[in-house]
Amino acid sequence: SQTIHQWPATLVQPVGSPLSLECTVEGTSNPNLYWYRQAAGRGLQLLFYSVGIGQISSEVPQNLSASRPQDRQFILSSKKLLLSDSGFYLCAWTRGGYTEAFFGQGTRLTVV
Amino acid sequence: QKEVEQNSGPLSVPEGAIASLNCTYSDRGSQSFFWYRQYSGKSPELIMFIYSNGDKEDGRFTAQLNKASQYVSLLIRDSQPSDSATYLCAVNMQGNTPLVFGKGTRLSVIA
Repeated sequence: SQTIHQWPATLVQPVGSPLSLECTVEGTSNPNLYWYRQAAGRGLQLLFYSVGIGQISSEVPQNLSASRPQDRQFILSSKKLLLSDSGFYLCAWTRGGYTEAFFGQGTRLTVV
Repeated sequence: QKEVEQNSGPLSVPEGAIASLNCTYSDRGSQSFFWYRQYSGKSPELIMFIYSNGDKEDGRFTAQLNKASQYVSLLIRDSQPSDSATYLCAVNMQGNTPLVFGKGTRLSVIA
């Protein structure tokens, strides 16, 4: 069966510090991968998605970036965090086509 | 602009009642439709999907799709306090593109 791992679960970082969140999927190959952010009491905001290694589409211009160095690994990064980067970050995967998305456990990021 | 609209709620229903959650979408060519449940502080979990017009039942949950009206709904029968959560509607409007999510409806089941 397929599983998605996302870590860490919680993170408190000072303003201006770097960020690296990692997500890996097991049990499937060539998944579509996604990073979402959910601010408190708000909906899901799509940040990045990838349909293959090295292929990244950005939905929202900001100080975040994403990379896909391996087929089942997706990394979200920032060089300098802002207070507004606080939120609940979710990694997800799909098989492609018209299929459903499966989410990781999420990372609660608080920038102080 | 591809959009999915949901009433934010909160929708309050008594225990044992039927909860009805609604969703409309903008792209008439959309092919697949999903309902997710999200408990506070947790990630969304898939509870239902539907591809064809009509009803689809799974236990206490029924998804209803009307493509002509661009409308999807989720019925929860015999609502329980454990059903209290935010319910997200998601639509796949074009193959191999990200799902478009609504902002979610918060459901509160009162014991």
